[in-house]
Amino acid sequence: AQKITQTQPGMFVQEKEAVTLDCTYDTSDPSYGLFWYKQPSSGEMIFLIYQGSYDQQNATEGRYSLNFQKARKSANLVISASQLGDSAMYFCAMRDAVPTDKLIFGTGTRLQVFP
Amino acid sequence: SAVISQKPSRDICQRGTSLTIQCQVDSQVTMMFWYRQQPGQSLTLIATANQGSEATYESGFVIDKFPISRPNLTFSTLTVSNMSPEDSSIYLCSAHDSINEKLFFGSGTQLSVL
Repeated sequence: AQKITQTQPGMFVQEKEAVTLDCTYDTSDPSYGLFWYKQPSSGEMIFLIYQGSYDQQNATEGRYSLNFQKARKSANLVISASQLGDSAMYFCAMRDAVPTDKLIFGTGTRLQVFP
Repeated sequence: SAVISQKPSRDICQRGTSLTIQCQVDSQVTMMFWYRQQPGQSLTLIATANQGSEATYESGFVIDKFPISRPNLTFSTLTVSNMSPEDSSIYLCSAHDSINEKLFFGSGTQLSVL
């Protein structure tokens, strides 16, 4: 069965520093997608970044990058130059095999950025 | 990128009543999904809503409790029926943007049942 694991319930980072949020996954399907979402206290789920299992390069979106290590089944999110507004819950998710497109979520990491 | 409008954004309901949550997508999508996020927890998929067919429910969720409609390719509703305090959660809809690989979410409905 597919599974997503986030082992860091909470992380602290100082403003302007970089932080890495860990995510490991388990699947027997050769084709899959990995997502990171940010959930501020308002409750909405904000898409951050996507990595496909066949993508050769690590995904980047502005200050967000995904450190994809396929052999280790890890998909860590790196946030560079942290900002106070980055304080939120962060969820790693894996897309089920096409065509269902449903997501399986990890338990989340609460990131707090301090001045 | 697809934009999903979800309403209501929050509601406080009495035990035994029902609430219908609506999601409108600004483009046609094949599948829409409904998730529940209980307080302090991660997201759990309730069901997949396909246009023109019955929704597919995940283990632990049944149609009588969470009836879903999908009348066209841009709209879906989820009803939380005969509510109890245990139904107090955030409910989110999502859809797959077929132009790219992103799955987008509505802004969520924060439901409190007294």
